[in-house]
Amino acid sequence: DAGVTQSPTHLIKTRGQQVTLRCSPKSGHDTVSWYQQALGQGPQFIFQYYEEEERQRGNFPDRFSGHQFPNYSSELNVNALLLGDSALYLCASSSWGGETNYGYTFGSGTRLTVV
Amino acid sequence: SQQGEEDPQALSIQEGENATMNCSYKTSINNLQWYRQNSGRGLVHLILIRSNEREKHSGRLRVTLDTSKKSSSLLITASRAADTASYFCATVALEGAQKLVFGQGTRLTINP
Repeated sequence: DAGVTQSPTHLIKTRGQQVTLRCSPKSGHDTVSWYQQALGQGPQFIFQYYEEEERQRGNFPDRFSGHQFPNYSSELNVNALLLGDSALYLCASSSWGGETNYGYTFGSGTRLTVV
Repeated sequence: SQQGEEDPQALSIQEGENATMNCSYKTSINNLQWYRQNSGRGLVHLILIRSNEREKHSGRLRVTLDTSKKSSSLLITASRAADTASYFCATVALEGAQKLVFGQGTRLTINP
């Protein structure tokens, strides 16, 4: 049973560029959440997707956008990259409404470095 | 912004000893979860405790929750070198968004 798969594992981009990160949820899960983790900090919630719609959003600017596909996989897009966007981006999958009982399954993350 | 504080920020103990980490939070919660993170990679779910529970066990892990003090503790008994990692508590609010709000974590080092 595959867990959460994220790609790529590492990425280096230049300021002002755009980036797309990808996530495939754990088998049986239909909800995908994205988190940003700066070095030495706890993860911060970006947004959550269910039924191909953004259901919840954290305190992130519109430069951060996402998408969920019919097969439940998801993409995180960041436009006009800033140096401060350098972080580990984590994808977490769950069953809609099941998070309160079973928690989330996280992927290994994508390490984004903006230079 | 982070939900709460974790204490201590770093902990170093000898293999075989017990490790205790504490977490405080600010809002009313539906549940509190503990996660482990090795070397800045993905988070591994350890245990979930609901707001109406006071204590929960899973193997060598013991979690307590005191909703009156808005605090939780994670005890790892008989620590092993493989327990070296960062440990995060995360809360899910009682109302509103079903998202995890993390603390800043405790960096645990187990010395052989």
